Amino acid sequence: GESVGLHLPTLSVQEGDNSIINCAYSNSASDYFIWYKQESGKGPQFIIDIRSNMDKRQGQRVTVLLNKTVKHLSLQIAATQPGDSAVYFCAEAAGGYNKLIFGAGTRLAVHP
Amino acid sequence: GAVVSQHPSWVICKSGTSVKIECRSLDFQATTMFWYRQFPKQSLMLMATSNEGSKATYEQGVEKDKFLINHASLTLSTLTVTSAHPEDSSFYICSGTDRGSGSPLHFGNGTRLTVT
Repeated sequence: GESVGLHLPTLSVQEGDNSIINCAYSNSASDYFIWYKQESGKGPQFIIDIRSNMDKRQGQRVTVLLNKTVKHLSLQIAATQPGDSAVYFCAEAAGGYNKLIFGAGTRLAVHP
Repeated sequence: GAVVSQHPSWVICKSGTSVKIECRSLDFQATTMFWYRQFPKQSLMLMATSNEGSKATYEQGVEKDKFLINHASLTLSTLTVTSAHPEDSSFYICSGTDRGSGSPLHFGNGTRLTVT
């Protein structure tokens, strides 16, 4: 089945702390995963991606972890800043970059 | 690079009228573009896949006669909401892939449609 978001959980963190946002995906055939950040009234912004032949990938202040055994994806943000406040979505695709299915999303609220 | 532009960014229309939304890839060619719809506090739901020079492929439950998609060139796809109703009010977002680089999908900034 497809991942469909019907609610939006919130993660509240203090500025400077590390954040971990989790995502469970549904399709065992998915081989490409992306994390997007969406600010209010804007389209999703690419953060980091990972292919199924990897279990970890690092970017600038962000790390994505992939556990295919339990179909779980996580996004770690180091030293979270107020500008990181947004809704974060994971997205999955099978057989290429094309048809992305989005997860439910998590709202990250960073407090000073 | 890989900029996707949507127009308009917001539109208000009366029930029963039609609205056209444009999605342009500004600095790359997109053989495939995707249209998503997002209701408040919800995730993005894929509506259809728009292929340049051919008919769009619609997801289950999306009315193809209501949401007309045209992808006449490698840089432009349009979504027309026909005979709009208040329940069509939503945030519509398009995306495209740079076929040259194979880079991840890039999204436009969305169009907020309000049907009164």
